[in-house]
Amino acid sequence: QQQVKQSPQSLIVQKGGISIINCAYENTAFDYFPWYQQFPGKGPALLIAIRPDVSEKKEGRFTISFNKSAKQFSLHIMDSQPGDSATYFCAARGGGGYNKLIFGAGTRLAVHP
Amino acid sequence: ETGVTQSPTHLIKTRGQQVTLRCSSQSGHNTVSWYQQALGQGPQFIFQYYREEENGRGNFPPRFSGLQFPNYSSELNVNALELDDSALYLCASSIDRGYNSPLHFGNGTRLTVT
Repeated sequence: QQQVKQSPQSLIVQKGGISIINCAYENTAFDYFPWYQQFPGKGPALLIAIRPDVSEKKEGRFTISFNKSAKQFSLHIMDSQPGDSATYFCAARGGGGYNKLIFGAGTRLAVHP
Repeated sequence: ETGVTQSPTHLIKTRGQQVTLRCSSQSGHNTVSWYQQALGQGPQFIFQYYREEENGRGNFPPRFSGLQFPNYSSELNVNALELDDSALYLCASSIDRGYNSPLHFGNGTRLTVT
């Protein structure tokens, strides 16, 4: 119940295309769903986040779609660029009165020019 | 504004030894969390410190312990190192321990246990 399942494991997209990464969860107590971007040798950096009372959030080329009934959420990267090539992690906050994030296993995105 | 800084960046230890990793939180942040990231995996929550006290812990044995200091910097200590402890250890700080406080990660310490 504490898992967040992420797919695909890896993704290759052409420059200008749309990258889509999906995540699913079981625990309905999760109350915050961030996406992190990680480049090699760096720590994860917060990209965008959503709360379960909102179905979509957009920031620039990045959009989160959230389906509360299906317990699924996804990241869409529009007009993907080679500089977007990185590993992306979805996460969910586990509650319990402290700021614990449960991460998916990650998606390695490669955007080809 | 200074971000989260961690030291050292890389470390090699032998099985059975003890290690201390250090973290300076981002300016204005009073909460520090530690995560372990195995190769090819997502980060796993170890514990969180708020105002010098541990206030949340993941599924890690007691040989993983921590400290937070009055300036909100933190240490992660691991005793009796095992080969499986080889990982990237990430420190994250937040402005508070609550729900409206995004985590800001450092670049981690790469620990190799031989």
